[in-house]
Amino acid sequence: AQKVTQAQTEISVVEKEDVTLDCVYETRDTTYYLFWYKQPPSGELVFLIRRNSFDEQNEISGRYSWNFQKSTSSFNFTITASQVVDSAVYFCALSPSNYQLIWGAGTKLIIKP
Amino acid sequence: ETGVTQTPRHLVMGMTNKKSLKCEQHLGHNAMYWYKQSAKKPLELMFVYSLEERVENNSVPSRFSPECPNSSHLFLHLHTLQPEDSALYLCASSQDVRGGTYEQYFGPGTRLTVT
Repeated sequence: AQKVTQAQTEISVVEKEDVTLDCVYETRDTTYYLFWYKQPPSGELVFLIRRNSFDEQNEISGRYSWNFQKSTSSFNFTITASQVVDSAVYFCALSPSNYQLIWGAGTKLIIKP
Repeated sequence: ETGVTQTPRHLVMGMTNKKSLKCEQHLGHNAMYWYKQSAKKPLELMFVYSLEERVENNSVPSRFSPECPNSSHLFLHLHTLQPEDSALYLCASSQDVRGGTYEQYFGPGTRLTVT
């Protein structure tokens, strides 16, 4: 079965705190891709990152970082020094060997000033 | 215009109406997608087009009818909808449909309310 689990429904932190969003996936494919998307209140899903299953290097982009661990089937997302503009719903998604994207339920992140 | 655009942004329609949602991508992509996003549910893939050919129809009711006249435009024709069809309808495009190799870019969505 292909599945993505984002166990955290909602997270609320105060600005400047670090926050980690969890993503656990299930797939039997050996080749697959993992994604993170951001959905601000405006509704548009914004692509953040794509990672393929053969590349376990962690990625850092400014205040954003991603930790991919195949051993635990996790692809977690950390925001360092959070800002109010980071408030959004964040989705993790899995693409197995076809074009389908299997989406997690999303984590609503609230950053309080 | 850049990226993926969708019109209208908001639509209220009665169950007997016929309306269409429009999506246009300005990215030179070959694949386009329709998704439905309902509250408390994961995104649901409805239709996929690759070079104007439909490659996926995920058991969507026939009251939703897609049309892809060219690789830049995608329509979703709606008729005799039900209140449970109220949702955010998102259009996306990607360079190709091949296995997750390419990320999808989304439009802002059409918020549909069926009364």
